[in-house]
Amino acid sequence: DVKVTQSSRYLVKRTGEKVFLECVQDMDHENMFWYRQDPGLGLRLIYFSYDVKMKEKGDIPEGYSVSREKKERFSLILESASTNQTSMYLCASSFRPLTSGRALEQYFGPGTRLTVT
Amino acid sequence: GQQVMQIPQYQHVQEGEDFTTYCNSSTTLSNIQWYKQRPGGHPVFLIQLVKSGEVKKQKRLTFQFGEAKKNSSLHITATQTTDVGTYFCAGRYGNNRLAFGKGNQVVVIP
Repeated sequence: DVKVTQSSRYLVKRTGEKVFLECVQDMDHENMFWYRQDPGLGLRLIYFSYDVKMKEKGDIPEGYSVSREKKERFSLILESASTNQTSMYLCASSFRPLTSGRALEQYFGPGTRLTVT
Repeated sequence: GQQVMQIPQYQHVQEGEDFTTYCNSSTTLSNIQWYKQRPGGHPVFLIQLVKSGEVKKQKRLTFQFGEAKKNSSLHITATQTTDVGTYFCAGRYGNNRLAFGKGNQVVVIP
């Protein structure tokens, strides 16, 4: 069974704090993703990484950065947390398809509910 | 980014009845995936459709990919309380990326 774990289920931080969200997968997946989920807005991609040290911006990267130093670990960083970053953060991973034009299923972690006060 | 539209956004379904949720894209999709998220849980992959006109069944769930590969549907028959949750479709765009719809939240009325 694929396992994607996230460092915290619930997190409360103050405005202006630097926040680290960690994600680890145990299936040797090349791709890793960070999404945020808000009511009525679905899943929005923040950043993704297709290899170690490689990253690409998603649809809403502003206010976030990422780090992927090891294949199994993908970190999301909020440099200076703000109240509008209060949300559910979901990490996911997948294999990279051998041929372009095909996306493979993503495995999600349990999520981190972040509250910024 | 690419948008995938889901309708309806919310459904209340009587236990035992059937319902359908729809997913539409303005551009042709190479493949489409469906996920289910139970209340308090995380999205879990259900199925992937690749071919034009493809139909796949999983017990009471029937998934369809349109002939033009721009739309998809999920039909559930004889709804049970275990069907409660939010159903997401997701279409591929760019390399390795999925565009998720906003989801269809389903409430089952016993």
